[in-house]
Amino acid sequence: AQSVAQPEDQVNVAEGNPLTVKCTYSVSGNPYLFWYVQYPNRGLQFLLKYITGDNLVKGSYGFEAEFNKSQTSFHLKKPSALVSDSALYFCAGTGAGSYQLTFGKGTKLSVIP
Amino acid sequence: KAGVTQTPRYLIKTRGQQVTLSCSPISGHRSVSWYQQTPGQGLQFLFEYFSETQRNKGNFPGRFSGRQFSNSRSEMNVSTLELGDSALYLCASSRISGRQGGEQYFGPGTRLTVT
Repeated sequence: AQSVAQPEDQVNVAEGNPLTVKCTYSVSGNPYLFWYVQYPNRGLQFLLKYITGDNLVKGSYGFEAEFNKSQTSFHLKKPSALVSDSALYFCAGTGAGSYQLTFGKGTKLSVIP
Repeated sequence: KAGVTQTPRYLIKTRGQQVTLSCSPISGHRSVSWYQQTPGQGLQFLFEYFSETQRNKGNFPGRFSGRQFSNSRSEMNVSTLELGDSALYLCASSRISGRQGGEQYFGPGTRLTVT
């Protein structure tokens, strides 16, 4: 069975500082990995994806994610956090032969002014 | 291009009733997936439809069912509602199914409250 873990329920970071939201995965074969963001009372919005190629993936709103196969991780990063980045972030993944996207539990990011 | 729409946005039902939720995907998207989101369990996959066929089903009881129409619109039905069915139900569409369809576009959700 495939699984995606987000070890931190909440991450607090000061505005202007770099942020990292952690994600690890366990899927069969080569993973397809995604990050989504959810603002209050809204659906999820796609941020970025890794399918193959460069380990550093760039996405929307200045976010990027680093794929590390040996550590089975796909951490979300941003060089300088904004207060407007405060939201719930979900990591998701799927493995070979799977039609199902598995989501992590989510990490609440709070950017403090 | 219009986004994914879900109706209704809010719903209050009593135990034992049944409910039908509707989802209209982005034009041109043939895959529709449904998820249940709760504070305790997070996002859980219900099922996916592609070209009117159920491609995959999550670990939910048979009270949860769905269908997809020829125009790709999808409905989800929950029969004999239980208090634990209270959740935000999210619909997501993508152009294709399978692993490549993982880039999904979500609707705003239907907030179901069972009393």
